[in-house]
Amino acid sequence: DAMVIQNPRYQVTQFGKPVTLSCSQTLNHNVMYWYQQKSSQAPKLLFHYYDKDFNNEADTPDNFQSRRPNTSFCFLDIRSPGLGDAAMYLCATSRDQGLYNEQFFGPGTRLTVL
Amino acid sequence: AQSVTQLGSHVSVSEGALVLLRCNYSSSVPPYLFWYVQYPNQGLQLLLKYTTGATLVKGINGFEAEFKKSETSFHLTKPSAHMSDAAEYFCAVGATDSWGKLQFGAGTQVVVTP
Repeated sequence: DAMVIQNPRYQVTQFGKPVTLSCSQTLNHNVMYWYQQKSSQAPKLLFHYYDKDFNNEADTPDNFQSRRPNTSFCFLDIRSPGLGDAAMYLCATSRDQGLYNEQFFGPGTRLTVL
Repeated sequence: AQSVTQLGSHVSVSEGALVLLRCNYSSSVPPYLFWYVQYPNQGLQLLLKYTTGATLVKGINGFEAEFKKSETSFHLTKPSAHMSDAAEYFCAVGATDSWGKLQFGAGTQVVVTP
């Protein structure tokens, strides 16, 4: 089945130690998104890629970076994780931009910062 | 700018009873509205969406929602709750003049009791 895969499902890192979260998709979608979801809060868009074009949300901290080496893969890099970065990180894809295009979500990676 | 308010972070409903989840939105342009469901350890899945046309929208698993412009609401209902409906539900709004960004509500956790 075509899907959005996130690895690992659970990630523990230390304060200040760089961490990379991975997302892959078999849907061949043009758009990939990264959301941060803290406990009992709404998912918050960090950035998205439209093909190779990177689009950063204005309030996304510089500590968060992303890479999309090809259509299938997208990475979220947290350069120096703080305790406040502990959250569920959701990857999503859509065929194209525009609200007619459904976003398909992966199961998420839960990040713990010690 | 768009925003979403979901009334009630937790809802408990008896099996067979009506499920009613409330969502109010704010949007400066005609909105697109969405309901997503998140089962434990899974990604968000689209339940239904309103774009234009008929204001009563039917989705998967017996859910439906009605767009009421005068009340800026998009409440989600299901006539008879099933144990499998236990999940977290997110309302989201997208602006028709945007590239496709969704603004999510904080979610409502639904518990179904026998």
